[in-house]
Amino acid sequence: KNEVEQSPQNLTAQEGEFITINCSYSVGISALHWLQQHPGGGIVSLFMLSSGKKKHGRLIATINIQEKHSSLHITASHPRDSAVYICAVLPNTGNQFYFGTGTSLTVIP
Amino acid sequence: DVKVTQSSRYLVKRTGEKVFLECVQDMDHENMFWYRQDPGLGLRLIYFSYDVKMKEKGDIPEGYSVSREKKERFSLILESASTNQTSMYLCASRSGGETYEQYFGPGTRLTVT
Repeated sequence: KNEVEQSPQNLTAQEGEFITINCSYSVGISALHWLQQHPGGGIVSLFMLSSGKKKHGRLIATINIQEKHSSLHITASHPRDSAVYICAVLPNTGNQFYFGTGTSLTVIP
Repeated sequence: DVKVTQSSRYLVKRTGEKVFLECVQDMDHENMFWYRQDPGLGLRLIYFSYDVKMKEKGDIPEGYSVSREKKERFSLILESASTNQTSMYLCASRSGGETYEQYFGPGTRLTVT
C-alpha cells in the first residue's frame, strides 16, 4: 500500500503550457520532497517543503498540511522539463521517506 | 558541490553470484540509504544507516545485506543474486539535522541473468 499518491501518472503538454502535478498523502508529515528524474536515472532535489509555498525559476511548489496535499506547478513549460517528477513524504513518526510512483511529463515543442 | 557516487552505472551478473554495490558521499552526512526502483512501484527502501556500523531494515530487506565501516561509504550486498533482483539501485544520503533533504547518486542498473 502506497501512502503517497501522485496524479496524473502521465502527462503530455505543448511547450509553453502551465503544468500541475498533484501529490496526496495519508499521514502526518515533517517534510515533503519534490524530486526530478531524467532518463538515465539521476534524481535531483527540486523542493523541500513543510508549509506554504516555494518558488525557483519557473517551478512553484505548494503544500496544504491540513488537506495533506501538495502541488508542483511549472510555468511556461519547455521540452527540457520532460522528466519524471516524484513526490516523497517524511512521516512525523519515522526516519524514512515514502515515495510516490512518479508523474512522467513530456513537453512537446 | 554535493556529491554521491556509485561504483557502477550498469552491471550484469549471473544468478547465484555475490554482488557488491558501493556508494560514497562527500558531505559528511550521518544518514545513508539504499533504494531500488521498479516501474510502477516507485522507490522502495532496502536498508538505511544512521551512523557507522549501524543499520536498519527498510521495507524490502530480504536477499540483501549492507555494510557501513566508514562514514562516507555504504555498501549493498546481494549474497546470491536472483533474477527478481534485476532493478535500478539508488543510493542517497542526508544530514542528521532537520534539513531533511536527500541527495541521490546516479543509480546502478543491475541485470541478473
